[in-house]
Amino acid sequence: AQTVTQSQPEMSVQEAETVTLSCTYDTSENNYYLFWYKQPPSRQMILVIRQEAYKQQNATENRFSVNFQKAAKSFSLKISDSQLGDTAMYFCAFMKHRNSGNTPLVFGKGTRLSVIA
Amino acid sequence: GAVVSQHPSRVICKSGTSVKIECRSLDFQATTMFWYRQFPKQSLMLMATSNEGSKATYEQGVEKDKFLINHASLTLSTLTVTSAHPEDSSFYICSATLAGGPTDTQYFGPGTRLTVL
Repeated sequence: AQTVTQSQPEMSVQEAETVTLSCTYDTSENNYYLFWYKQPPSRQMILVIRQEAYKQQNATENRFSVNFQKAAKSFSLKISDSQLGDTAMYFCAFMKHRNSGNTPLVFGKGTRLSVIA
Repeated sequence: GAVVSQHPSRVICKSGTSVKIECRSLDFQATTMFWYRQFPKQSLMLMATSNEGSKATYEQGVEKDKFLINHASLTLSTLTVTSAHPEDSSFYICSATLAGGPTDTQYFGPGTRLTVL
């Protein structure tokens, strides 16, 4: 079974600063996907960024980037130029890759990020 | 595009009654829908995988007779909590994958908050 670990229950960052959220995972799969989701107070899950395990290049989406270390099974999220709207719960998630059929997400316990003005 | 709705957004019911939650893919067909449960300040836990036209697959520890799932069409899956009790109070979230689309992309509904008195 896959497990996802987020070791930082809560973090805070000053507006405009940079913050990194940690995530490690455990799997015997070789082909999989990793995600960071954001859940603001509205509780709507919002995809922040995704990474295919077979790609060595780290994914980036505007102010969001990841540091994917496959051998270490580490997948951290860096948020640059933090904004007040980034305040939310952040979940790291794992998904097996399948050629056919869909597989569910396995979530970490989350990190509550507060951006301070 | 790729919008998922849930209805109702909030429901309060008396202990012993049944509650139905709908999950609809509004502008796409979804072969697979997932149902998650989220307790306050906790992560999302997978309850079941719902495939159109077949029986749902439940995770270990989830009572299939209590949480009835019906995926009768490519745009609708329903979760019925039967004989609800206060411990069933939770936030229920569905997600859907696009039929014929990338298997790594899940679209989340806005969630349903269930309170059992």
